[in-house]
Amino acid sequence: DAGVTQSPTHLIKTRGQHVTLRCSPISGHKSVSWYQQVLGQGPQFIFQYYEKEERGRGNFPDRFSARQFPNYSSELNVNALLLGDSALYLCASSLRVTTNTEAFFGQGTRLTVV
Amino acid sequence: DQQVKQNSPSLSVQEGRISILNCDYTNSMFDYFLWYKKYPAEGPTFLISISSIKDKNEDGRFTVFLNKSAKHLSLHIVPSQPGDSAVYFCAASPVTGGGNKLTFGTGTQLKVEL
Repeated sequence: DAGVTQSPTHLIKTRGQHVTLRCSPISGHKSVSWYQQVLGQGPQFIFQYYEKEERGRGNFPDRFSARQFPNYSSELNVNALLLGDSALYLCASSLRVTTNTEAFFGQGTRLTVV
Repeated sequence: DQQVKQNSPSLSVQEGRISILNCDYTNSMFDYFLWYKKYPAEGPTFLISISSIKDKNEDGRFTVFLNKSAKHLSLHIVPSQPGDSAVYFCAASPVTGGGNKLTFGTGTQLKVEL
């Protein structure tokens, strides 16, 4: 069975540009969340989607947005890129949004902003 | 405000011995806890979890202990193997809207030596 897949795996962008990252969840999983991991830190929660609705948002500026499609795949968009947006962006899927649920992660997209 | 803390950035253990990784949390709204293992250039891999109604959960070589009154949990790996060398993240999920909305610690780099 395919796990969580993310594309692209690596990306280099220039300051001020826009980027779109994509995620396909594990088959049957209806919840997708996005996390940002900078070097030396743990992943930090950005967004949670369930059944195409936003269910949670972390402490990130409005330059970050996301959406979930009818097939439960998801996109993360970041506008007006800053150098500080350079990080590993992780997508995780889970079967449900109740508390006792494991989240399974993709391999991540490494974004470098120059 | 670091709500999940892993105070040991690194740990070195001999093969065959026990590895003990510690995690503390401050938010009493957390009620589900997870451990993830991460290799470089990969996404976190789910290892084991525990609900706040339990104080121990075991899966093969991995055991997680939860001391709710102390807001402390630990992961025991026994016996440790060289393939266990990775960064280990502790994560917590809140009571409401919890699944896939995780707060992570900063990680502990485990090195298992021959």
